[in-house]
Amino acid sequence: EAGVTQFPSHSVIEKGQTVTLRCDPISGHDNLYWYRRVMGKEIKFLLHFVKESKQDESGMPNNRFLAERTGGTYSTLKVQPAELEDSGVYFCASSQRLTVDRASSYGYTFGSGTRLTVV
Amino acid sequence: GQNIDQPTEMTATEGAIVQINCTYQTSGFNGLFWYQQHAGEAPTFLSYNVLDGLEEKGRFSSFLSRSKGYSYLLLKELQMKDSASYLCAAAVNDYKLSFGAGTTVTVRA
Repeated sequence: EAGVTQFPSHSVIEKGQTVTLRCDPISGHDNLYWYRRVMGKEIKFLLHFVKESKQDESGMPNNRFLAERTGGTYSTLKVQPAELEDSGVYFCASSQRLTVDRASSYGYTFGSGTRLTVV
Repeated sequence: GQNIDQPTEMTATEGAIVQINCTYQTSGFNGLFWYQQHAGEAPTFLSYNVLDGLEEKGRFSSFLSRSKGYSYLLLKELQMKDSASYLCAAAVNDYKLSFGAGTTVTVRA
């Protein structure tokens, strides 16, 4: 099966501009997550979709970040306006319906990430 | 809050064994993951422990002690391709992951 696809792989934008990151999860995965790794820090949770609904957006840094998942398929993460501290690698992950199943281990599959550089 | 600690770097020789320790303090703990990440690539799943004890999977083993908030990943018979970052992550509450900063393992010939 195809994995989690993220686009673009790299983006360099100027401070104040807008950038939209896209994530295509594995087909049939209801759960979609966004994570971010800022330079030198750990990967941090941003938010969780179940189908098209935001289940948990407690990790979103501020209102300059807007995530959508129309139709419960692909998701976009928009940063508007971008600031220097938004630079980092943005990861998307998806999983099937959550079950406590050691074999599936939540079925978490990560994408390769989008490296965002704000200059 | 969540706190996950692991060493920043480790170096070992090809064919040797390396143990990466991870300590965690989290609320709503739902298990401990280890991921491997090569530069520029996606983190890939290595292991998951929810019960105390050792899980062995080929050259890689993972251990968990819930009472001590402690886990380790054991890499045996190291190969050059094992050079990567190893991420410890605690699953909390709504199955989101709380990551450590990662341990960069360098395997030398």
